[in-house]
Amino acid sequence: EIVLTQSPATLSLSPGESATLSCRASQSVSSSLAWYQQKPGQAPRLLIYDASNRATGIPARFSGSGSGTDFTLTISSLEPEDFAVYYCQHRSDWPRPFGQGTKVGIK
Amino acid sequence: QVQLVESGGGVVQPGRSLRLSCAASGFIFSHHGMNWVRQAPGKGLEWVANIWNDGSKQYYADSVKGRFTISRDDSENTLYLQMNSLRVEDTAMYYCARDVYNGVFDSWGQGTLVTVSS
Repeated sequence: EIVLTQSPATLSLSPGESATLSCRASQSVSSSLAWYQQKPGQAPRLLIYDASNRATGIPARFSGSGSGTDFTLTISSLEPEDFAVYYCQHRSDWPRPFGQGTKVGIK
Repeated sequence: QVQLVESGGGVVQPGRSLRLSCAASGFIFSHHGMNWVRQAPGKGLEWVANIWNDGSKQYYADSVKGRFTISRDDSENTLYLQMNSLRVEDTAMYYCARDVYNGVFDSWGQGTLVTVSS
């Protein structure tokens, strides 16, 4: 089973700052990695798929990069609504676990 | 627009069974694989099960294999999760999610809460 490890667990930032979130796979997943955002009390929302493709309606301040085992989600200038938990997930093989999540909190 | 509405959650004793449903609308249900994802209180997301668009294959997380069964009724545009031999650790919010591109979950329901407790 491919394990996804996200870091850091928590990120404390101010609005306007940029956020860099990491997701590392225990073996190569090629570019088959997605990022999801979840706010308290809400269902997750797809942000990025196949490492770098923004989903429909996702603002350009969200970008994804990486391939193989190392991936990054960057939020270029945090808006108040971006403070949430972010998860990565691969679709390279079965099962398809999520990473443990990174919480982006307000500093 | 795409809508997914889960139902069937509730409080159940350990060892008992429960069936969850996910009613889909706003898209051609039979064209998409579907998934169940759960989230224990205060914890992260856990992928649970997948079923292909034609129902020919199902995949499960090791934690539920042999106890849970995913199925679909395309005539009713409904996804199911039959949960048997429930354990306390199955307590979670259960979401259904539409699959695009074979493993990208682009639409999610609001979830149904399952509590396993004696």
